[in-house]
Amino acid sequence: DTAVSQTPKYLVTQMGNDKSIKCEQNLGHDTMYWYKQDSKKFLKIMFSYNNKELIINETVPNRFSPKSPDKAHLNLHINSLELGDSAVYFCASSRSPGQGMWEQFFGPGTRLTVL
Amino acid sequence: SQQGEEDPQALSIQEGENATMNCSYKTSINNLQWYRQNSGRGLVHLILIRSNEREKHSGRLRVTLDTSKKSSSLLITASRAADTASYFCATAPPQGAQKLVFGQGTRLTINP
Repeated sequence: DTAVSQTPKYLVTQMGNDKSIKCEQNLGHDTMYWYKQDSKKFLKIMFSYNNKELIINETVPNRFSPKSPDKAHLNLHINSLELGDSAVYFCASSRSPGQGMWEQFFGPGTRLTVL
Repeated sequence: SQQGEEDPQALSIQEGENATMNCSYKTSINNLQWYRQNSGRGLVHLILIRSNEREKHSGRLRVTLDTSKKSSSLLITASRAADTASYFCATAPPQGAQKLVFGQGTRLTINP
C-alpha cells in the first residue's frame, strides 16, 4: 500500500492559473512537509505542519498556501502561477520532530510545468 | 543557506566496484541522514546516523560521521546496476529545530 501519495503526478498549466496539489499519508505520522525540487535537483523545504498546525513557513511567496484538513492530509494551493514555479513538488511525512528529526517518507512527486 | 554539500557531484563506476560519496556540512547537527532518489521518483530514506555515532551499517551501505570535520561518507559496496540513482545527505539541526536541510546530491551511475 502506498505510504505517501500525491495527486496529480503531472500538472501542465498556463501562467496566471491557480492549481492545487493534494497529499495523503497513511503512516499515522503527525508531521507533513512540502518540498520544492528545482531543475538542478536542489531540494528545499517550503512548509511543515505538525498536527494540523503550521510550524515551518520558509521564504515562500504568499501565492503558495498550504492547507491541512487533518493530520493525514496536506494540500498545496498555488495562485497566479509563474514560469519560475515550474519544478517537482514533493510531499513528505514523519513522526513529530520531538528530540530530533526522524526519517522522512516522501511521495512520488508532482511535476509542475508552467507555460 | 544550504547546509550539506555532496562530493563528487557525479560518479560513474563499473558494476561490482565500491562507490563512496561524501557530504560536508557547516553547523552542528543532531543527526545526518542519507536518501536515494531514483529518476522520476521520490526520495527514499537509507540510513540515519546520530551525532554521537561514528559508523553505521545497513546491508551493503556503510555510513561514517566525523563531527570534528563536519563530514560524512556513504559507501556502497559491490555496486549493482539498480544502485544507479542520486544520493542526498540531509542534516538535522540540534534539538528544537524542525527541518532537514538537503545537499544537492551525488548522481551515481553504475555501468554493467
